[in-house]
Amino acid sequence: EAGVAQSPRYKIIEKRQSVAFWCNPISGHATLYWYQQILGQGPKLLIQFQNNGVVDDSQLPKDRFSAERLKGVDSTLKIQPAKLEDSAVYLCASGRGTEAFFGQGTRLTVV
Amino acid sequence: AQSVTQPDIHITVSEGASLELRCNYSYGATPYLFWYVQSPGQGLQLLLKYFSGDTLVQGIKGFEAEFKRSQSSFNLRKPSVHWSDAAEYFCAVGPPRAGNMLTFGGGTRLMVKP
Repeated sequence: EAGVAQSPRYKIIEKRQSVAFWCNPISGHATLYWYQQILGQGPKLLIQFQNNGVVDDSQLPKDRFSAERLKGVDSTLKIQPAKLEDSAVYLCASGRGTEAFFGQGTRLTVV
Repeated sequence: AQSVTQPDIHITVSEGASLELRCNYSYGATPYLFWYVQSPGQGLQLLLKYFSGDTLVQGIKGFEAEFKRSQSSFNLRKPSVHWSDAAEYFCAVGPPRAGNMLTFGGGTRLMVKP
């Protein structure tokens, strides 16, 4: 089966600009996650969707980050405006049951 | 709040040698436990998982892990390391029955000497 698809793979923006990442989960997976992985650290959960509803967004910096999952399939994560500390890899994962499958991530560099 | 500690940031082993990567967790109950591997530029790949039952679990690529409740540990082992095992390894915990909402450790970078 096809894996979790993310785009773009790389993005460089200036601080205070906006950026959006896209994720297409594995077909049939009801749960979708966005994780932030800062260099040298483990991934940190930002938000979890179940179908098109938000289950947990307690660690999402809502003043600048937003996410949506249209029709319970694809998802976008947006940052506006970006800060230098947002430089990280943004990982999307989808799951069914007790296992999560991760995409390759989008590496964001804010300069 | 749950947390995961991987005490070793870097480990270097010789090819063919045995490997043990440490993982300790803090959680109110017995969580679901996972080990993931991440190669450069790649996403996370699940190596193995523990939910209940036999405390020694087998995974892919010849890896195994042992859950020790008394020590709150879930250490990853491999009897003979291959050069292709060089990567970053992450231990993670998730709440029972909702194991996908993972809390990750900081990772251990494994280097393999020829």
